[in-house]
Amino acid sequence: EVQLVESGGGLIQPGGSLRLSCAASGFTVSTNYMSWVRQAPGKGLEWVSCLYGDGSAFYADSVKGRFTISRDNSENTLFLQMNTLRAEDTAVYYCAGATPGTFFQHWGQGTLVTVSS
Amino acid sequence: EIVLTQSPATLSLSPGERATLSCRASQSVSGYLAWYQQKPGQAPRLLIYETSNRATGIPARFSGSGSGTDFALTISNLEPEDFAVYYCQQRRTWPLTFGGGTKVEIK
Repeated sequence: EVQLVESGGGLIQPGGSLRLSCAASGFTVSTNYMSWVRQAPGKGLEWVSCLYGDGSAFYADSVKGRFTISRDNSENTLFLQMNTLRAEDTAVYYCAGATPGTFFQHWGQGTLVTVSS
Repeated sequence: EIVLTQSPATLSLSPGERATLSCRASQSVSGYLAWYQQKPGQAPRLLIYETSNRATGIPARFSGSGSGTDFALTISNLEPEDFAVYYCQQRRTWPLTFGGGTKVEIK
C-alpha cells in the first residue's frame, strides 16, 4: 500500500521560511514523478512544483525563485523548502506521486501552512 | 499556460440522476487530461486519466470523454458518495494546471 505523509506545516510570519517533508512508503520517490500541489482555504487546486527521477525540477511562476523541491533517496522523502513566504502562500500543501508519464495516483493527507503576522 | 475552464460551477442533482461535467482547455491538451474527485477534508482522488481511462478501483458509472480542447466527465446514476467537488487537470505542458472545479451537490 502506498502512503505519503506530509509534515512541517504551521504558522509562519510573512517573509519567513518553512520546509515541508513528505515521507513515502510503498512508492519510490527517486524513480517517480513527485509533486507538491496546494489548496488555499475554500479554493481550488494549484500545482506548485514537480521533481523527476533524473533530478529535473519544475515550478509554478508564483513560487519560482522562492521555493525549492528536493528529495532524500535514502529516506525516500520529498521536501519543499519555502522561503520569503507571503500571505497568498497560505494553503494546505499536498504531496502527490505519479509513475512517469502519468497523472497523480497517490496523494498525502496534506499539511496546512498559514502565513500571517 | 493552458487555462482549464470547468462548467457549471455547481450542479444540483438527486441520487440516481446523471451528471455531466465539462472542462474546456484554452488550447489542445492532446488527450492528456485527468479528473479528480475531492470530498471535504480529504485529498483529491484520481478518477479518470488520459481522457477516458478509469483509475484503479473507480466504479464503471464514472466515464470520461472528449478530445482536443473539450472534455466531459459523466457520472451515471449518482450514488450518495458521489456528491463532491470534481477537478480536471492537464499534463500536456508546463505548468500543470487544474480547472476551477465543479461542485456536485444534492438537490
